[in-house]
Amino acid sequence: ETGVTQTPRHLVMGMTNKKSLKCEQHLGHNAMYWYKQSAKKPLELMFVYSLEERVENNSVPSRFSPECPNSSHLFLHLHTLQPEDSALYLCASSQVEASQETQYFGPGTRLLVL
Amino acid sequence: QKEVEQNSGPLSVPEGAIASLNCTYSDRGSQSFFWYRQYSGKSPELIMFIYSNGDKEDGRFTAQLNKASQYVSLLIRDSQPSDSATYLCAVSSGGSYIPTFGRGTSLIVHP
Repeated sequence: ETGVTQTPRHLVMGMTNKKSLKCEQHLGHNAMYWYKQSAKKPLELMFVYSLEERVENNSVPSRFSPECPNSSHLFLHLHTLQPEDSALYLCASSQVEASQETQYFGPGTRLLVL
Repeated sequence: QKEVEQNSGPLSVPEGAIASLNCTYSDRGSQSFFWYRQYSGKSPELIMFIYSNGDKEDGRFTAQLNKASQYVSLLIRDSQPSDSATYLCAVSSGGSYIPTFGRGTSLIVHP
């Protein structure tokens, strides 16, 4: 148990559906991240929220939309996804300004797009 | 483009042996180095971090950093079947809190 929770753990959706992934961290961290992990590929950083600043990977399609209402909660809104978006979506948090930038990962949401 | 390179493996070692995992990075300004372990179907978990040149030991794990040669390695002594997992190397530069991850090396420890 890392102190980072994600829901749902598994999600199957059609290409016309709209769904949201939720992440919550109980570590008092000030940065939260969304990563995508596909088979045989490195972790792909999608979005970062830190100290109210948002950083995004410009290669992420607009069908993924993040929301960070406060430092403990992070959402990833999904709409009109494609089958190639099927992957493990990982949320992580860290404490910026600390001497180490260790990331604590949630258990992930396994997404399947049909 | 900051790059972190790892041999994807699999690296297969017998139980009780030393497993050696290597990682090279491209950004000379890198200052923080991390090793994460990821079991199949699970999320990554931190094993070690290192900032200074040399060795850092924690139980059966030793991280080795050589900034001049731009590589960081992880040694696992007395390898156990439970060590079988994918090991991810992550590197972050000074002033950046966003790490770059390698593809990971798959380790198999066979009895």
